[in-house]
Amino acid sequence: EIVLTQSPGTLSLSPGERATLSCRASQSVSSSSLAWYQQKPGQAPRVLIFAAFNRATGIPDRFSGSGSGTDFTLTISRLEPEDFAVYYCQQYDSSLPMYTFGQGTRLDIK
Amino acid sequence: EVPLVESGGDLVQPGGSLRLSCAASGFPFHVSWMHWIRQAPGKGLVWVSRITSDGSEVSYADFVKGRFTISRDNAKNMVYLQMSRLRVEDTAIYYCAKDYFGSIEYWGQGTPVIVSS
Repeated sequence: EIVLTQSPGTLSLSPGERATLSCRASQSVSSSSLAWYQQKPGQAPRVLIFAAFNRATGIPDRFSGSGSGTDFTLTISRLEPEDFAVYYCQQYDSSLPMYTFGQGTRLDIK
Repeated sequence: EVPLVESGGDLVQPGGSLRLSCAASGFPFHVSWMHWIRQAPGKGLVWVSRITSDGSEVSYADFVKGRFTISRDNAKNMVYLQMSRLRVEDTAIYYCAKDYFGSIEYWGQGTPVIVSS
């Protein structure tokens, strides 16, 4: 079973700054199976990035995904006030099948 | 229009049963894989189960195997999660979700399940 480890656990930044969130897999995963989600308090998650670097419909271009193999990154180029939330990475292992989420990174206003 | 609306969450005693329902609209349900994903209070997201578009293949997280059953009715655009032998640790918000090539494209608003005596 693939384990996803996100870092840091909490990231404190100011609006306008750049945020870099990491997701590391315990073994190599297909880029086509790696996604990123944003969740605000009291709301359901929403997809930001699928297949490692493809922005979902309606997602601003300040969000970008990158990486391959075991290391993936979500970058928010210039933080807006509405970007402060919890972010999760997720992967799909078709061989099992199994869907796994990372434990989340909380992005706080500094 | 909200594409996924869950219902059926409730307070239930340990060992009890519950059936969650999810009504889908606004997308081609009959060709969509569907999931149930849960989130315990203050915790992260955990995948529970998935069903393929025609219902021929189902998969479960190990911690619910033998206790939960996912099913669907394509004529009614509905997906279900039958939960039995519920445990305190099953307490969570349960989200119905639509698959998109292994990622989750749509999420419902969630329905709360509380397992407590």
